[in-house]
Amino acid sequence: RKEVEQDPGPFNVPEGATVAFNCTYSNSASQSFFWYRQDCRKEPKLLMSVYSSGNEDGRFTAQLNRASQYISLLIRDSKLSDSATYLCVVQFGNEKLTFGTGTRLTIIP
Amino acid sequence: EAGVAQSPRYKIIEKRQSVAFWCNPISGHATLYWYQQILGQGPKLLIQFQNNGVVDDSQLPKDRFSAERLKGVDSTLKIQPAKLEDSAVYLCASGDEQYFGPGTRLTVT
Repeated sequence: RKEVEQDPGPFNVPEGATVAFNCTYSNSASQSFFWYRQDCRKEPKLLMSVYSSGNEDGRFTAQLNRASQYISLLIRDSKLSDSATYLCVVQFGNEKLTFGTGTRLTIIP
Repeated sequence: EAGVAQSPRYKIIEKRQSVAFWCNPISGHATLYWYQQILGQGPKLLIQFQNNGVVDDSQLPKDRFSAERLKGVDSTLKIQPAKLEDSAVYLCASGDEQYFGPGTRLTVT
């Protein structure tokens, strides 16, 4: 079983819609969770950290479910500029970040 | 604030040749990471430095890959000899929040 699993997509979503991605992780002792965004042929950039209580940043909401070992990212009122690959990232303690394969999102006008 | 710098941006070599990549992290960042990102996959950590010491190189193919950060600032990653499966983007990141550089796209023919 992969350490971090994501649905690779692609997700093709009309502009203005709400879209959600899930990600599952195998190490129950994982402690830190993140979503990164990667545009085509660009480097990954930190989108947001994921906290146990859930957190929101504008149109983006991240949630963590430790019991089921998954994290989610919700994007509301999607914009064309949201088109990118979204990488789920898990960290155990101060050890290396483990990246998922990414979920590709395309927002359609 | 200047970001993480990497060079070259692109490199094409034949299999069995050698290649080296350079990374200059954000000023003051003690931690430096090298990742390999194969097309369609998430980044995979190759090696992590804390100043000039190696923290984690468990996923570095040491028979052909080497990396150094002699003065605790710049770092080089070398592949010798290259194989076809080494074709990937090599990403350098620095800092606890892992700011990524633009990467070096390597094609091995």
